[in-house]
Amino acid sequence: GNSVTQMEGPVTLSEEAFLTINCTYTATGYPSLFWYVQYPGEGLQLLLKATKADDKGSNKGFEATYRKETTSFHLEKGSVQVSDSAVYFCALSGGTSYGKLTFGQGTILTVHP
Amino acid sequence: DVKVTQSSRYLVKRTGEKVFLECVQDMDHENMFWYRQDPGLGLRLIYFSYDVKMKEKGDIPEGYSVSREKKERFSLILESASTNQTSMYLCASSLGGTGGTETQYFGPGTRLLVL
Repeated sequence: GNSVTQMEGPVTLSEEAFLTINCTYTATGYPSLFWYVQYPGEGLQLLLKATKADDKGSNKGFEATYRKETTSFHLEKGSVQVSDSAVYFCALSGGTSYGKLTFGQGTILTVHP
Repeated sequence: DVKVTQSSRYLVKRTGEKVFLECVQDMDHENMFWYRQDPGLGLRLIYFSYDVKMKEKGDIPEGYSVSREKKERFSLILESASTNQTSMYLCASSLGGTGGTETQYFGPGTRLLVL
């Protein structure tokens, strides 16, 4: 079946540091890949997505590239801010109907001034 | 603007009680989902619905049921609450019909404590 593995956290960085959160997946067929973010006290919201191999998703300075050869979708940001402190979830949709998502375990990011 | 609302932010219930969690979306979406979120486990799908009165089990349906009588409303029911159902419950909806590429929109969550 489908599965998503994220790097273990929590991750603690200083403001303006470079961020990478690793995500690898196992899926049959051609999944779509997503990063969702959950800010404190809120539900999840889409950060970015990529629907086919070699696509790059980007939003708010975050980027992730769909690498089929390494089954990865790592999240990166060149310079994090305190306001980026949140929980980040990698997820995939297996291409079947209804868009069911399989999530990774989440990575807690804390950014200090 | 897209909106998914959940009936309660916090609930405290006793073991054995029947619990109803309500979710409403105002986007005319076809698909609706219920997840539970637990630390270190991410989100796990309990049930989803792809049309009124249509439902399918997710990965962890045991101890839960759902109801979708109207397109905008999707209810999660804990038939007899147990302490291992203490968790954060998240509802989501999506447009449907795009082969799995569409965004899911989430409500703020209900934190349920079963004593």
